[in-house]
Amino acid sequence: GAVVSQHPSWVICKSGTSVKIECRSLDFQATTMFWYRQFPKQSLMLMATSNEGSKATYEQGVEKDKFLINHASLTLSTLTVTSAHPEDSSFYICSALPAQNTGELFFGEGSRLTVL
Amino acid sequence: GDSVTQMEGPVTLSEEAFLTINCTYTATGYPSLFWYVQYPGEGLQLLLKATKADDKGSNKGFEATYRKETTSFHLEKGSVQVSDSAVYFCALNKGGATNKLIFGTGTLLAVQP
Repeated sequence: GAVVSQHPSWVICKSGTSVKIECRSLDFQATTMFWYRQFPKQSLMLMATSNEGSKATYEQGVEKDKFLINHASLTLSTLTVTSAHPEDSSFYICSALPAQNTGELFFGEGSRLTVL
Repeated sequence: GDSVTQMEGPVTLSEEAFLTINCTYTATGYPSLFWYVQYPGEGLQLLLKATKADDKGSNKGFEATYRKETTSFHLEKGSVQVSDSAVYFCALNKGGATNKLIFGTGTLLAVQP
């Protein structure tokens, strides 16, 4: 089946630094990727929709200058958490929609960010 | 707004027990409904789906029926195995070009031998 990989799977950083999380579709091209955030015991919250070669579309309440999303190729999207603070600590998950759109999304394994 | 509510976990069962994980939704129109499963250390995987009222999705012994009258999509399995231990997410998608999924909180299932 289609595989989506995230890197790093976990990261610890100091407050004020920036962290980049990569989402790669390993064996298919993804025109659209989605970024989610999950707090403990809460549902996945959609942060933004990323389309290859264009600006990401952010959900209401998500700061686009805080969470920079780049989708420079059909197999890679990146999420950069800028000037991270402890409240940004969370589990970040990406999903990818294949170019041959069957309606099924494929998910990465998630990246756990801890900001000290 | 649109939302999905599923039962809180953890759900702890013995092997071969019957499983039900409740899921109800709130949405305008006619969403598609999904169950995703996340095994430890892995990404979410589509388990089953139903796209219209009275449809039954099934996979790996799991079933769920799209009930519009009760706005529900409960997940069931007649005999669980230890390998079914995972987190299960109910989700809806209103369709269109965006393919945005709205998830429930997830339910942890632990099956003991």
